[in-house]
Amino acid sequence: RKEVEQDPGPFNVPEGATVAFNCTYSNSASQSFFWYRQDCRKEPKLLMSVYSSGNEDGRFTAQLNRASQYISLLIRDSKLSDSATYLCVVNHSGGGADGLTFGKGTHLIIQP
Amino acid sequence: EPEVTQTPSHQVTQMGQEVILRCVPISNHLYFYWYRQILGQKVEFLVSFYNNEISEKSEIFDDQFSVERPDGSNFTLKIRSTKLEDSAMYFCASNARGPRGSQYFGPGTRLLVL
Repeated sequence: RKEVEQDPGPFNVPEGATVAFNCTYSNSASQSFFWYRQDCRKEPKLLMSVYSSGNEDGRFTAQLNRASQYISLLIRDSKLSDSATYLCVVNHSGGGADGLTFGKGTHLIIQP
Repeated sequence: EPEVTQTPSHQVTQMGQEVILRCVPISNHLYFYWYRQILGQKVEFLVSFYNNEISEKSEIFDDQFSVERPDGSNFTLKIRSTKLEDSAMYFCASNARGPRGSQYFGPGTRLLVL
């Protein structure tokens, strides 16, 4: 069964701090990896794709460890607007399978 | 910036009624998807669609569900005979590159079945 597991939190973090989330995925054949953020009662919005070499986009850094089947997201200098649920998302694509598998999300609250 | 749009934003229906949820994917995208999210739960894949046919569907996507691209812009999800447990947020998504590309989501239709 294809699963993506995340710590649901909530993570309560003071503004300006650094926070990190991890997630694990069960299917070793998984091909593509993403972090999305979701605000309350809104759609998931793509934050960044995750590449094997690791990648950075401003204050956000994503890492992929294929051997251990985990994905991480680091947020530096956190802002109040970073408060959201962060969704770890995996595409198991292979043999025509291309639906995304979502984790339940990690809830982040940035406190002033 | 191009967006996926969905109508209606909210729909209330009686159990057993048919509903059609509409989506307009981003114009140059070729791959289309429907997902649902029951309140408080994770986003779940329903179906993917490419080249006018279903590419993949999940266990949730049973015979009461169907999808259609009736023209060059709309992508619809039909639920033939709604059940109470169909109450959820339904998201449409699209991407340009196929299975390994990034999917962009519409704002969703909140469906309530009474």
